[in-house]
Amino acid sequence: EAQVTQNPRYLITVTGKKLTVTCSQNMNHEYMSWYRQDPGLGLRQIYYSMNVEVTDKGDVPEGYKVSRKEKRNFPLILESPSPNQTSLYFCASSLSPRVEQYFGPGTRLTVT
Amino acid sequence: QQQVKQSPQSLIVQKGGISIINCAYENTAFDYFPWYQQFPGKGPALLIAIRPDVSEKKEGRFTISFNKSAKQFSLHIMDSQPGDSATYFCAVFLSPYGGATNKLIFGTGTLLAVQP
Repeated sequence: EAQVTQNPRYLITVTGKKLTVTCSQNMNHEYMSWYRQDPGLGLRQIYYSMNVEVTDKGDVPEGYKVSRKEKRNFPLILESPSPNQTSLYFCASSLSPRVEQYFGPGTRLTVT
Repeated sequence: QQQVKQSPQSLIVQKGGISIINCAYENTAFDYFPWYQQFPGKGPALLIAIRPDVSEKKEGRFTISFNKSAKQFSLHIMDSQPGDSATYFCAVFLSPYGGATNKLIFGTGTLLAVQP
């Protein structure tokens, strides 16, 4: 089944404790991206990647890191999480940014 | 700065009625305009999309109307059904020729409730 998977689905952590949210797709897509969803703000792009080893900032990259060492994986790293990073996070992939984005199921992160 | 403005924030429609959601943008370099539908607890999924060389696209009960001169596009849901109750997001894609690279920018979302 073609899909985007994210882990974990739910995470509660404390301020400053490094964490990684994994994202994997099995559709051989080149374009991958991370979004955060907050009430009233919609979906905001954090980082995106056009291909392996090619990443770029979205609209809200502060406090986040990404890497793209393999085509199928695009982990999101929070080196020192803060409460303002409490949000719902989505990973997405597609053949290119101008076609359908396939979204993962989301990761709900709470930073206390 | 908000590059795409979506309205209304929420919408209540009776079953069988027409739901209309609007989006306005500023940058004329946007060249791809999708709409995504999101059900509670799920990721967004592409509903319908349009490119600026056409003024309207219809897929079943869903229609995008595009007004390039006014820099606006809208989603129309005909014969709205309770199963259409979801959050809808418009989005715009900024091509590399517009001064930025490969960014998909979403609106703030519209929560649609279709009452039976």
